[in-house]
Amino acid sequence: EVQLVQSGAEVKKPGESLKISCKGFGYTFTSYWIAWVRQMPGKGLEWMGIIFPGDSDTRYSPPFQGQVTISADKSLNTVYLLWSTLKASDTAMYYCARRGSSSWYADSWGQGTLVTVSS
Amino acid sequence: EIVMTQSPVTLSVSPGERATLSCRASQSVSSYLAWYQQKPGQAPRLLIYDASTRATGIPARFSGSGSGTEFTLTISSLQSEDFAVYYCQKYNSWPPTFGQGTKVEIK
Repeated sequence: EVQLVQSGAEVKKPGESLKISCKGFGYTFTSYWIAWVRQMPGKGLEWMGIIFPGDSDTRYSPPFQGQVTISADKSLNTVYLLWSTLKASDTAMYYCARRGSSSWYADSWGQGTLVTVSS
Repeated sequence: EIVMTQSPVTLSVSPGERATLSCRASQSVSSYLAWYQQKPGQAPRLLIYDASTRATGIPARFSGSGSGTEFTLTISSLQSEDFAVYYCQKYNSWPPTFGQGTKVEIK
């Protein structure tokens, strides 16, 4: 069974840095792209970017380019989402999701990581 | 950038009835369209991809149709577990983008 397990909820202050993680189980981790998707409180889904853990090829959606960094450690079957300087507007639920075998939809999702940024 | 617009925003349906959800693209996305279901407090779940292919384990009461700019998700007979928010997503070009969602609520 494919599983994506994300790290736990975080409470941070504006200006702090943060790295959250997503670990894959039950499939060949290096063969599938992993995306990060943001959901702000009470809002819809936004595709942030995607990484291929096999070679760390990474693509970002324009609104998120330069705002976050996506990385992978294939030896740990883990993908990361990193902020160097958090803002209150980064408060959201963040999901990792596996890209489908044929194209850029998401066929399996992590349980989500809630990030709260507040002074 | 292609904009995805879903309608209606909220759909009130009685259990056992048929629900029809719409998704419109601002320009053609061919058949590169997916549908997801999200229940409160849960992650989204893939229902349909390539406009009409059901994902693994998805009941036959869910069906997708359309191509180009007009798409439909139909739930043939609503069950209690189907009351949720539904999102469409296009993926013909980068970046993939979602519609704003349709909430299906109990009438």
